[in-house]
Amino acid sequence: DAGVTQSPTHLIKTRGQQVTLRCSPISGHKSVSWYQQVLGQGPQFIFQYYEKEERGRGNFPDRFSARQFPNYSSELNVNALLLGDSALYLCASSLIGGLNTGELFFGEGSRLTVL
Amino acid sequence: TQLLEQSPQFLSIQEGENLTVYCNSSSVFSSLQWYRQEPGEGPVLLVTVVTGGEVKKLKRLTFQFGDARKDSSLHITAAQPGDTGLYLCAGLNYGGSQGNLIFGKGTKLSVKP
Repeated sequence: DAGVTQSPTHLIKTRGQQVTLRCSPISGHKSVSWYQQVLGQGPQFIFQYYEKEERGRGNFPDRFSARQFPNYSSELNVNALLLGDSALYLCASSLIGGLNTGELFFGEGSRLTVL
Repeated sequence: TQLLEQSPQFLSIQEGENLTVYCNSSSVFSSLQWYRQEPGEGPVLLVTVVTGGEVKKLKRLTFQFGDARKDSSLHITAAQPGDTGLYLCAGLNYGGSQGNLIFGKGTKLSVKP
């Protein structure tokens, strides 16, 4: 069975541009979360979506937005890119979005470099 | 702001040695997880500890959750080169969703043959 898949794996953008990152959860998983991992740091929570609704939002500016589609895949959009947005963006899926639902499965991430 | 402090930040040891990694916070968590992340990959869950004072063993790895649910430790016995990686602890708040974890900065472990 396929795990969490993310695309693209690597991309380079310039300041001010916009980027869209995509994530397909494990089949049957209805919850998708996005994390940003800056080099040398642990992942930082950005968003969680469950059944197409936002269930949680981290401390990120409004330039960051996301959505979940009927097939439970998700997109993360970042507008007006800054150099500090350079990071590994991780997508994680779980069966349901409630409390203590067990294991969170991470994809390999999308490595974004902003020049 | 809730923080999870991990120590040490870096650890380089020889194969066969034992080591302990610590994860501390001033906040109480409903549960705490440990992940291992290898270069170019996403984190992979090793264990979840839920009860204060709980000890879980996974082969040569022993995980403990503090009595007050504010801290945790990971002990590796007879480390092997395959244990090399970034070890992350992550806390789940009371009332929080599983998708919303607070991660520490990680401990980068290198085990030399």
